[in-house]
Amino acid sequence: EVQLVESGGGLVQPGRSLRLSCTASGITFGDYAMSWFRQAPGKGLEWVGFITSKFYRGTTEYAASVKGRFTISRDDSRGIAYLQMNSLKTDDTAVYYCSKGGQLVRSGRFDYWGQGTLVTVSS
Amino acid sequence: QSALTQPASVSGSPGQSITISCTGTSSDVGGYNYVSWYQQHPGKAPKLMIYEVSNRPSGVSNRFSGSKSGNTASLTISGLQAEDEADYYCSSFTSSTTFVFGTGTKVTVL
Repeated sequence: EVQLVESGGGLVQPGRSLRLSCTASGITFGDYAMSWFRQAPGKGLEWVGFITSKFYRGTTEYAASVKGRFTISRDDSRGIAYLQMNSLKTDDTAVYYCSKGGQLVRSGRFDYWGQGTLVTVSS
Repeated sequence: QSALTQPASVSGSPGQSITISCTGTSSDVGGYNYVSWYQQHPGKAPKLMIYEVSNRPSGVSNRFSGSKSGNTASLTISGLQAEDEADYYCSSFTSSTTFVFGTGTKVTVL
């Protein structure tokens, strides 16, 4: 059974940093792209960024709203994807989800999702 | 990148069919066959219902189908059931090598 579990969320002050983790089980983690999404309270879904598999050079792409502040990385030996969030703003307050992509990330086949972790940016 | 345009709400009676539209541009929906649809119940994680315009993941009911014409993609739910009441979002790969979501549609089963 495929499982994705996010952790690391919580309350953080504006301007500070936070790192989220997404621990995967039940899949050959290194074969797949991984992506992060978020959903602000009462709002729609927003794509945050992705990291491709090592086969596709571990390439990363980010939404304009987080580019330069957020970084996605992966540890294939441990089956974990990370979202490093720096210079956090109040607008970053959201539930953050990780998701497993297809082998070709552009297909948009994000077929397994974690339960989400809440990040609240407030003073 | 602007969000894809979806109707805010769609409703139907049990057993009926409904269609949700998702309008983008030639830089996203119209340019690629990489449109996905997600179902989200309140307080739950999204669930992939359709990928690559019209493909269903295993386990998804064949009452859900997807299509695309030009810059507009569509999700059709046939034989509407109470459990289909949820929010639905489309998503597309874009020419900027990013993804964009739709504005979301609340489906109500009357």
